[in-house]
Amino acid sequence: DAGVIQSPRHEVTEMGQEVTLRCKPISGHNSLFWYRQTMMRGLELLIYFNNNVPIDDSGMPEDRFSAKMPNASFSTLKIQPSEPRDSAVYFCASSPTWGAAGANVLTFGAGSRLTVL
Amino acid sequence: RKEVEQDPGPFNVPEGATVAFNCTYSNSASQSFFWYRQDCRKEPKLLMSVYSSGNEDGRFTAQLNRASQYISLLIRDSKLSDSATYLCVVSFNTNAGKSTFGDGTTLTVKP
Repeated sequence: DAGVIQSPRHEVTEMGQEVTLRCKPISGHNSLFWYRQTMMRGLELLIYFNNNVPIDDSGMPEDRFSAKMPNASFSTLKIQPSEPRDSAVYFCASSPTWGAAGANVLTFGAGSRLTVL
Repeated sequence: RKEVEQDPGPFNVPEGATVAFNCTYSNSASQSFFWYRQDCRKEPKLLMSVYSSGNEDGRFTAQLNRASQYISLLIRDSKLSDSATYLCVVSFNTNAGKSTFGDGTTLTVKP
């Protein structure tokens, strides 16, 4: 199994630009999560999906952030426009079907390190 | 008060030492408990689940105290490779979306 695949691994952009982060969950995992990690705030849950449907987006900081999951094997997190305070590592994670054995164990991707200048 | 609290450390110990981390949680309805390990500039990875009866995996022992609402991780015979940040995770039901991560405890094992 290739694990959770994220791209890009590193992104440097200028303030005001659009940023799109991508994630491919583990095949067969029906829950997908987007986290953000910074030194100041630790690991924060931004949004999670179950069976491609957003379940809880209360962690999305503001309207500049949006996430989609058009199918079971792909999700995007978009920031438009980006700001320097968005600089962080963004992790995608997946887990087995909600309610299934192991459903509360997360497998993380390697992360996308975003720097907004 | 944070939902999950950990002593941030850092813990600096010599090789071979025994070290213990504690983590407290505020929601008494919490059902599932885990320790994750995160190496520098890497993603968190599951180290072990924590069961009510306590569980052991090699040099690692995890325990849960529901009455006092804390979990612990004991590492015996520390290795240099144990140097990492250890994250306490608490879930309030079987849905991982309800998982809350502590800020982590940093361990450095020195020769």
